[in-house]
Amino acid sequence: EPEVTQTPSHQVTQMGQEVILRCVPISNHLYFYWYRQILGQKVEFLVSFYNNEISEKSEIFDDQFSVERPDGSNFTLKIRSTKLEDSAMYFCASTVAEEQYFGPGTRLTVT
Amino acid sequence: SQQGEEDPQALSIQEGENATMNCSYKTSINNLQWYRQNSGRGLVHLILIRSNEREKHSGRLRVTLDTSKKSSSLLITASRAADTASYFCATDKNDYKLSFGAGTTVTVRA
Repeated sequence: EPEVTQTPSHQVTQMGQEVILRCVPISNHLYFYWYRQILGQKVEFLVSFYNNEISEKSEIFDDQFSVERPDGSNFTLKIRSTKLEDSAMYFCASTVAEEQYFGPGTRLTVT
Repeated sequence: SQQGEEDPQALSIQEGENATMNCSYKTSINNLQWYRQNSGRGLVHLILIRSNEREKHSGRLRVTLDTSKKSSSLLITASRAADTASYFCATDKNDYKLSFGAGTTVTVRA
């Protein structure tokens, strides 16, 4: 069964560094998303992406964040200058209809 | 905000018993989805129920939706140890952006 995959599974970075989180959505899906979950808290929507542009973004998704679909398979989330409060599990999701399928997540730890 | 809120926050049951959890939300929705998350892992999609549906089944799962009360319930029948996880409801108001609740942590005792 097709799955959303994410790399790396765990990323440790120093405050102020740039990180790129990678996702490979399910191949025939058209809508792509990033969510994050700070430890012990709710899953929060960050951004949705369709037809090579951002459809919607949350307040969290400020100028430090960007997304890109550099080729036909990858979908990336870049955080330009990480802060301690960016430490969280980041989930990629994709859909072709209504059900969103999530990847296993990347645990980002900012020190 | 149309975030779902689950109730109870935590539930502990014996293997073989049923587990019921509820979700309430605030605004009109297009659909409501339930997800499972094992500790520290990804979100697994369980079931989707649309706003014009009242009940849906999938294996040992039964979901109801009452749009007049803005609430949904998830019933897991004949629970197993492997059902131990956190369960989240997520609402979609037709903008494909899911709003998640805080989740119900279910512990199934052997």
